[in-house]
Amino acid sequence: ETGVTQTPRHLVMGMTNKKSLKCEQHLGHNAMYWYKQSAKKPLELMFVYNFKEQTENNSVPSRFSPECPNSSHLFLHLHTLQPEDSALYLCASSQMNNEQFFGPGTRLTVL
Amino acid sequence: TQLLEQSPQFLSIQEGENLTVYCNSSSVFSSLQWYRQEPGEGPVLLVTVVTGGEVKKLKRLTFQFGDARKDSSLHITAAQPGDTGLYLCAGVRGSYGKLTFGQGTILTVHP
Repeated sequence: ETGVTQTPRHLVMGMTNKKSLKCEQHLGHNAMYWYKQSAKKPLELMFVYNFKEQTENNSVPSRFSPECPNSSHLFLHLHTLQPEDSALYLCASSQMNNEQFFGPGTRLTVL
Repeated sequence: TQLLEQSPQFLSIQEGENLTVYCNSSSVFSSLQWYRQEPGEGPVLLVTVVTGGEVKKLKRLTFQFGDARKDSSLHITAAQPGDTGLYLCAGVRGSYGKLTFGQGTILTVHP
């Protein structure tokens, strides 16, 4: 695998479910990001991790819980989501202060 | 909140036509990036413009950064069906970890 990979690519979940999104980067970068892309809205930065430490939480509701066990892996744990949380969730990675490389995203549908 | 207004939101043209996409803000950015996103994929960086008044060319694509570093434009000459996609501008302030994205322009080029 090369670049930034995300699994699953598609996810349908009920509001009472708990699920996790996974992101892995094979670029040797030390910063990782979660973004939310909704229809008709700009891409929204959710979380930033630098060297496994969270450096940005953009007022994201607590039903989204990120985890970064090492510089190559990033998770987004989901629980008790709302239908309005349905969106494309994108992961990105970069070397500090450099170009961000995006994964293909997870298309999430909350029923 | 720094906003980036991108226009037009939708553009449907015939192969061979020229087009321009605009990205405007009331805020100053240290640099501005343009991305292209295809269905089922994450955004891919096309160019970063850094200096006020800077013009960069990438084959048939010409990118310009305004003198005051508040606005930018993307011009495509002789558009081709392969140019179809979502074009996003993103303003950079300070660290590359914080990007402010425009709403995007969905471009469709018909053969």
